[in-house]
Amino acid sequence: SQKIEQNSEALNIQEGKTATLTCNYTNYSPAYLQWYRQDPGRGPVFLLLIRENEKEKRKERLKVTFDTTLKQSLFHITASQPADSATYLCALDPAQGGKLIFGQGTELSVKP
Amino acid sequence: GAGVSQTPSNKVTEKGKYVELRCDPISGHTALYWYRQSLGQGPEFLIYFQGTGAADDSGLPNDRFFAVRPEGSVSTLKIQRTERGDSAVYLCASSLRGGGDTQYFGPGTRLTVL
Repeated sequence: SQKIEQNSEALNIQEGKTATLTCNYTNYSPAYLQWYRQDPGRGPVFLLLIRENEKEKRKERLKVTFDTTLKQSLFHITASQPADSATYLCALDPAQGGKLIFGQGTELSVKP
Repeated sequence: GAGVSQTPSNKVTEKGKYVELRCDPISGHTALYWYRQSLGQGPEFLIYFQGTGAADDSGLPNDRFFAVRPEGSVSTLKIQRTERGDSAVYLCASSLRGGGDTQYFGPGTRLTVL
């Protein structure tokens, strides 16, 4: 069956450290993968999109990798700050038509 | 500019009642999506509109759920004979042209069925 999975346990890290979140998928061959941030009581906010032919993409303190052989994406936040505390969601769009399939999200907590 | 707005922000209803949830997309966005999010889960796709027509309604769980977008802007998600299992946050998103364009989400409507 098709699945997209993220670490279900919350990730707690110290301010200034690098947070690494994992997204694994099975039985999909996505052309691209997206990462979103969601704060309590709000809708998801788009952060980054990485295509299958891109191994790595960066935006400010964010870095995403995409390994289509391992069927895995890693999402890194360097020099983390308490303001980075939120739930992070990965999403696939298998048919490239906008119908997003989301993972369950990983809650990140950055302590000062 | 204004983002996606959804009303009401909270809706409490009784089992068996009918509810309507409204979404105002970003002006000029032709694509509109409805998702449902249960506690501790990621959003789950329900339906996608391109203009006035439903391009993909494969995520609607059963025939109690229906959505319209009569003029290609505002959309209404309608749920008949609500059940306790319908309780969730209903999210709306819009994108400029659909396809792989970035989706912008509204804050959601929290539906509670007692």
